Amino acid sequence: QITLKESGPTLVKPTQTLTLTCTFSGFSLSTSGVGVGWIRQPPGKALEWLALIYWDDDKRYSPSLKSRLTITKDTSKNQVVLTMTNMDPVDTATYYCAHSGSGGSCLDYWGQGTLVTVSS
Amino acid sequence: QSVLTQPPSVSGAPGQRVTISCTGSSSNIGAGYDVHWYQQLPGTAPKLLIYGNSNRPSGVPDRFSGSKSGTSASLAITGLQAEDEADYYCQSYDSSLSGSNVFGTGTKVTVL
Repeated sequence: QITLKESGPTLVKPTQTLTLTCTFSGFSLSTSGVGVGWIRQPPGKALEWLALIYWDDDKRYSPSLKSRLTITKDTSKNQVVLTMTNMDPVDTATYYCAHSGSGGSCLDYWGQGTLVTVSS
Repeated sequence: QSVLTQPPSVSGAPGQRVTISCTGSSSNIGAGYDVHWYQQLPGTAPKLLIYGNSNRPSGVPDRFSGSKSGTSASLAITGLQAEDEADYYCQSYDSSLSGSNVFGTGTKVTVL
């Protein structure tokens, strides 16, 4: 079965760079049509779509955050990494990674999420 | 600021039918892009509820249904149950966002 799990720091300081890793199993990111995306949710607020990387290394970013985000994949390790630069307290949120299949945009399997707090 | 607008809350008694709207524009829903719906129970990760406008993944009860018309989409829950109390989000692709996707503003469903 498909599983995903996010990992990374729980606390980062303002201006630092956040690096999150999504480790998955049950699928391959070299399979045509497959993608892995990142989504975040500030406490008590709505979901926000951040970025997605496809099997062919096509990358899509939220326009509002594009200058701060980088998404990469390591197919051999079954991992996707998201980096976000210049972190600010407003970036405090639970960060989720999710699987996207068949070349579509829906996110059919999600990780449990990891809470990242930005504070000095 | 999301380009997909949902009502902040809807409520209904057990057994009733409720609907949640997701209003977009000509660059997303109106352009023919698929709409997906997610259910987020308190303290848990979102779960795919409806994909491709009206399709249910395996295991999702047929009490949940989706539709799309023009620049809007809707999620209907019939025979509302206490366990349906959750936040619901729509999602679609938007051609004005450099090929990225967007979530709706979210709707809290309360079972009275």
